[in-house]
Amino acid sequence: AQSVAQPEDQVNVAEGNPLTVKCTYSVSGNPYLFWYVQYPNRGLQFLLKYITGDNLVKGSYGFEAEFNKSQTSFHLKKPSALVSDSALYFCAVRGGEGGKLIFGQGTELSVKP
Amino acid sequence: DTGVSQDPRHKITKRGQNVTFRCDPISEHNRLYWYRQTLGQGPEFLTYFQNEAQLEKSRLLSDRFSAERPKGSFSTLEIQRTEQGDSAMYLCASSLTSGTGTYEQYFGPGTRLTVT
Repeated sequence: AQSVAQPEDQVNVAEGNPLTVKCTYSVSGNPYLFWYVQYPNRGLQFLLKYITGDNLVKGSYGFEAEFNKSQTSFHLKKPSALVSDSALYFCAVRGGEGGKLIFGQGTELSVKP
Repeated sequence: DTGVSQDPRHKITKRGQNVTFRCDPISEHNRLYWYRQTLGQGPEFLTYFQNEAQLEKSRLLSDRFSAERPKGSFSTLEIQRTEQGDSAMYLCASSLTSGTGTYEQYFGPGTRLTVT
């Protein structure tokens, strides 16, 4: 069965420093991977996806993610964090032909000035 | 605003009452998904439609839950005889899926249900 794991409940970063939010996955077949961000009392906003192709995927708001097949990881990165990046981040994998998403438990990112 | 919309945004109901939520997807999207999210957890899949056909239902979707998408546009999710355990955020998402690729899902703001 498809699954994703986000090993860190919380990540704390100083503004201007690089940030990484970790995600590992377990799938049968080729993975379709996604990152979403959720602000308080809001729905989820799409950041980026990996379907095939380059292992480094660029997305919205300066975020990127690196797909690593040997380590079954899909970590989210940003070279320079902003206070406004503080939010809840979810990694997800497509769970079948119907396209349903299987989400990790989320990582709360806190960026301090 | 051409995003996914959900109504109501908040619903407080007493245990045993029925509730119905509505989702309006992005107009050209052919797939519509319902998820449930509880505090501190990621969203969990409930069901999805391709056009008007309901093609998959999670085991989370007990017989008290029913969803429809009668004309392949908006969808409703009804919970009958609500229980306190139904308290959660109910999220709707839509996507455009064709033979040429898999597209991301766009989420609505959610309906927060509180069962007292």
